[in-house]
Amino acid sequence: ETGVTQTPRHLVMGMTNKKSLKCEQHLGHNAMYWYKQSAKKPLELMFVYNFKEQTENNSVPSRFSPECPNSSHLFLHLHTLQPEDSALYLCASSQGQGSTEAFFGQGTRLTVV
Amino acid sequence: GENVEQHPSTLSVQEGDSAVIKCTYSDSASNYFPWYKQELGKRPQLIIDIRSNVGEKKDQRIAVTLNKTAKHFSLHITETQPEDSAVYFCAAAMFSGGYNKLIFGAGTRLAVHP
Repeated sequence: ETGVTQTPRHLVMGMTNKKSLKCEQHLGHNAMYWYKQSAKKPLELMFVYNFKEQTENNSVPSRFSPECPNSSHLFLHLHTLQPEDSALYLCASSQGQGSTEAFFGQGTRLTVV
Repeated sequence: GENVEQHPSTLSVQEGDSAVIKCTYSDSASNYFPWYKQELGKRPQLIIDIRSNVGEKKDQRIAVTLNKTAKHFSLHITETQPEDSAVYFCAAAMFSGGYNKLIFGAGTRLAVHP
C-alpha cells in the first residue's frame, strides 16, 4: 500500500447521473492530482491542488468538478458525463518541499452508459 | 506546454535480453524525468527517476540516461525477467512551487517471454 486510497474502485453511471470519486492520502503530502487514463493514450493530467489550492486545470470540461477540502482529501464530482469519459481515473499525491515522487492510488474504473 | 513522445508502443523480448524504451520531451525547462511501471490492474509505481543535473543513473538491472541537449531520455532494462512484463511510462516535469506537473508519454507495453 502506498497510502493513497481511492473509492469506489468501479463505477457505472448513466449520462444523467451525478456521482463523486474520492481520494485520500495518509502520507502527509501537500500536492494532490487527478489523472485520466484511457486505453492507448498517455495519462492525462486534469487538476493539481497544492496546499488545498487549485494550481492547474488542464482545460477539463466543466462536467468534471474537483474539490479539495484539505490536504488529505480530494474529490472529483461528475455530472452529465459522456460515454467517451469512460476511463480509469487516478489520484496521486506528492510531498513537495524538494521531494518529487508522485504516489498513485489504484484508480476508479468509470463506465458511462 | 510540455509534450512527451514515447517509443516503441509495444516491445517483446526473450527472457535474459535487454529492453530499451526511448522518450523525447519538448520543454527545455523540464528538470525531472521519472519512469513508472504499471502492472495489469495495478497502480503506476515509480521505478527510477533522473534529474537534469545527472546524465545517467543505475539501480540494479535498470538504468536511465538523459541527454538534455537533444531532449531525450531512455530506460534500459538488462537481463529481463517475466515479472518485468508491464506497461512503462516515462514522464517529464518541472518541479516548481512545491509540486510536479508530470506530463506522461503514451506508454510502452513490454512483454518478456520465458
